[in-house]
Amino acid sequence: AQSVSQHNHHVILSEAASLELGCNYSYGGTVNLFWYVQYPGQHLQLLLKYFSGDPLVKGIKGFEAEFIKSKFSFNLRKPSVQWSDTAEYFCAVPFGGRDDKIIFGKGTRLHILP
Amino acid sequence: DGGITQSPKYLFRKEGQNVTLSCEQNLNHDAMYWYRQDPGQGLRLIYYSQIVNDFQKGDIAEGYSVSREKKESFPLTVTSAQKNPTAFYLCASSGDTGNTEAFFGQGTRLTVV
Repeated sequence: AQSVSQHNHHVILSEAASLELGCNYSYGGTVNLFWYVQYPGQHLQLLLKYFSGDPLVKGIKGFEAEFIKSKFSFNLRKPSVQWSDTAEYFCAVPFGGRDDKIIFGKGTRLHILP
Repeated sequence: DGGITQSPKYLFRKEGQNVTLSCEQNLNHDAMYWYRQDPGQGLRLIYYSQIVNDFQKGDIAEGYSVSREKKESFPLTVTSAQKNPTAFYLCASSGDTGNTEAFFGQGTRLTVV
């Protein structure tokens, strides 16, 4: 079955620490990959996306993610987090073709200590 | 301004009553989705529609129904058959499911008492 797994459900870091959030998906075909962020009290919004080309993609607010096809992974990274990065982060994969839908991971709640 | 509008933001209903959540978009998107968000469970897909007059069940469709009579509108009905309807519901749309991002509404928090 199609699925998206996020390994870290709740992460607590201090400001300036480095961040890496894991995301794995189960799908053998060509994929597009997304990371969304939900700041407290706000809409879900796109953080970054991968369609093709360079597997290292850069998004807003200093975030980046690396697509590793052999590992079915799309991990999100940021070298130095800020208090304003406190939010919930979701990995998402549109599973296309006949069963065309977007599946989200369970999310990672990130809490940055000032 | 283009976007997705969900209404109302908060909704209270008595157990046993059906309730309909509204979702309207003016982005000219073909695809629309309904998700349910519960703490620790992420976003679970309820129903989705790729085109007017057509929709498919998602992973947790039981107890819900939808319609897609117009491109702009994708209302969700939470029926009395839904065993645990209290939740946060999110509507989204995208121009092309696989190749563009999804845009989300502000959500509707439904409380059934």
